[in-house]
Amino acid sequence: NAGVTQTPKFQVLKTGQSMTLQCAQDMNHEYMSWYRQDPGMGLRLIHYSVGAGITDQGEVPNGYNVSRSTTEDFPLRLLSAAPSQTSVYFCASSYTASSVAETQYFGPGTRLLVL
Amino acid sequence: QQQVKQSPQSLIVQKGGISIINCAYENTAFDYFPWYQQFPGKGPALLIAIRPDVSEKKEGRFTISFNKSAKQFSLHIMDSQPGDSATYFCAANRGNTGKLIFGQGTTLQVKP
Repeated sequence: NAGVTQTPKFQVLKTGQSMTLQCAQDMNHEYMSWYRQDPGMGLRLIHYSVGAGITDQGEVPNGYNVSRSTTEDFPLRLLSAAPSQTSVYFCASSYTASSVAETQYFGPGTRLLVL
Repeated sequence: QQQVKQSPQSLIVQKGGISIINCAYENTAFDYFPWYQQFPGKGPALLIAIRPDVSEKKEGRFTISFNKSAKQFSLHIMDSQPGDSATYFCAANRGNTGKLIFGQGTTLQVKP
């Protein structure tokens, strides 16, 4: 099992550009989520999905879009990048929403710099 | 509004010492409290977790102590080792929502 994979590892964008952060898992997990990590802020939930075709907003959803067409993939789209979106982004997955606290696995992260 | 407050922000401990990280929460609906360990350049990894009906949980050198009335919980790392040097996050979960609320993180350095 590869676990949770994320691409790219590092990306530089200019203000106003759009891009998609990729996330995939091969553990047949129903629940997937995106977090951003900023110094002194911990990790904050952006969007999450409880299964294919179902997504919902987390704490900080503005400026981001998600979709979940398959169980395996959960891409995160930045619609028009802003310097405030400079961060490290983590994708995570778990068997179900109710098992998040016990069995959530994180990907290696994507470092995004918006100039 | 930070629903889970973590302290200290950074911690330096000598090898063999005890590392203690504290967290406090506000929402009494939280019902599961995991701790994550993160090494530089890596994603967080689940370390240990506790439910509020238990006052203490121990796994190896790692112990969570939970005080429900004070709405506080803490991570104790016994016999701290240089390999424990990492950032530690506490978190809180509410029911079946899957929405984890994280603390701000504590960077631990264990000196040889």
